[in-house]
Amino acid sequence: NAGVTQTPKFQVLKTGQSMTLQCAQDMNHEYMSWYRQDPGMGLRLIHYSVGAGITDQGEVPNGYNVSRSTTEDFPLRLLSAAPSQTSVYFCASSSGTGTYGYTFGSGTRLTVV
Amino acid sequence: DAKTTQPTSMDCAEGRAANLPCNHSTISGNEYVYWYRQIHSQGPQYIIHGLKNNETNEMASLIITEDRKSSTLILPHATLRDTAVYYCIVRVVTGTASKLTFGTGTRLQVTL
Repeated sequence: NAGVTQTPKFQVLKTGQSMTLQCAQDMNHEYMSWYRQDPGMGLRLIHYSVGAGITDQGEVPNGYNVSRSTTEDFPLRLLSAAPSQTSVYFCASSSGTGTYGYTFGSGTRLTVV
Repeated sequence: DAKTTQPTSMDCAEGRAANLPCNHSTISGNEYVYWYRQIHSQGPQYIIHGLKNNETNEMASLIITEDRKSSTLILPHATLRDTAVYYCIVRVVTGTASKLTFGTGTRLQVTL
C-alpha cells in the first residue's frame, strides 16, 4: 500500500515553461487536493476534487490547472511557470468526510528560475 | 473554518511530556479540532482529532476545554523524532471532505 505518491520529488523550470506534477493514490479515496507551501508558511490550497470528473478551486488557483479523469490520479499543471510559483507542492487525499485525517504525499520541490 | 492561535515555538526535554496549546475562541459547535505535524520538509501527518471529549490514541492525547475555546495536544514522552511543526486546525466535518486551513503552527524542538 503506497499511499499518496508524488512525482517528481525535485524540479527546476525556466520561466515560461510548463509542466505537470503527478499525484497518485491507491486507497480509493474520493477526495484529492493540492497545496503549496512557501518558506516559513503554512500550506495553502490550490485545487481540489471530490471525485472523478469534479474539480474546484482553492484559495490560490491562478496559474494552475487540474483534472480528475480517474479516482487514482490528480495531476497539477503549471501553464507558464513563474518565479512566484517556486514552492513545495503537496498532494493529499481522504475518504468520505475526511474525519480520520488526510494522507499527504512527500512533496515536490519546484524551483522556477 | 475558525481561526486558531498557537505559540510560534516551544522546547521540550526528551522523555518529558510536551504540551502544545491552541486557542480557537471562535469555534462553532459543529467544528472539530484536528492536529497535524510536519517533520522537516515531509508532508503533514495526521495525529488526532476531537469534538468536545478528550481523546487519546497511540501518538498523543487531546484535551479540549469545556467551552471548546482552546485545546492542548499532549505528547506524553517526547523523543527527538517528535521535533516538528505542529498544526492545530478546526474544520467542519460535512458530507464530503473539505479543505484544511493551515496556520504557521508551533515549532517543537525536543532536546537531549
